[in-house]
Amino acid sequence: GQQLNQSPQSMFIQEGEDVSMNCTSSSIFNTWLWYKQDPGEGPVLLIALYKAGELTSNGRLTAQFGITRKDSFLNISASIPSDVGIYFCASGRNTNAGKSTFGDGTTLTVKP
Amino acid sequence: DGGITQSPKYLFRKEGQNVTLSCEQNLNHDAMYWYRQDPGQGLRLIYYSQIVNDFQKGDIAEGYSVSREKKESFPLTVTSAQKNPTAFYLCASSEGQPQHFGDGTRLSIL
Repeated sequence: GQQLNQSPQSMFIQEGEDVSMNCTSSSIFNTWLWYKQDPGEGPVLLIALYKAGELTSNGRLTAQFGITRKDSFLNISASIPSDVGIYFCASGRNTNAGKSTFGDGTTLTVKP
Repeated sequence: DGGITQSPKYLFRKEGQNVTLSCEQNLNHDAMYWYRQDPGQGLRLIYYSQIVNDFQKGDIAEGYSVSREKKESFPLTVTSAQKNPTAFYLCASSEGQPQHFGDGTRLSIL
């Protein structure tokens, strides 16, 4: 099936540093989504992108939908300890209703 | 509050036993999904349903079964045919994009 390549697989950073992660695909998508998952819980939506080139912010988080519609990135500025978790990208097409393809996740560790 | 409720939080299965995981949503969403998550991996789609009384296999449907008799409910049965059922199971619902997730059920083998 379709696959998303999410990188990096894991990150160990110091509190206060900025973080960047991205997802790429060989296929074109209409939607890019970024989720965060805390241990033992379900993923929570952070940012949804619906248009090529769209740049959206949510507090210290910023995400962009690539112009080619085959990639997306998520930036976190001035990281804090509660940013720890697994970040997933997901993509979908309008023809598939809500069905999404998920990346393998980026595990973020923030050292105080 | 509107949301998705999965139960139980933890479940143990004996050899040869079928177990059923519950998923209920009060978001009035048409579509519901079941995913399996293994350590260090992303979410793999087991089954999904876009409307009541209809469902389709996802990427890893073997050893699982579902039903969709009511809009708000989408239970997943892990059958004895699933030889490696230990995983974290996530249910989601949506009206188009994005999907909203429950808090998961962790299934282990006794």
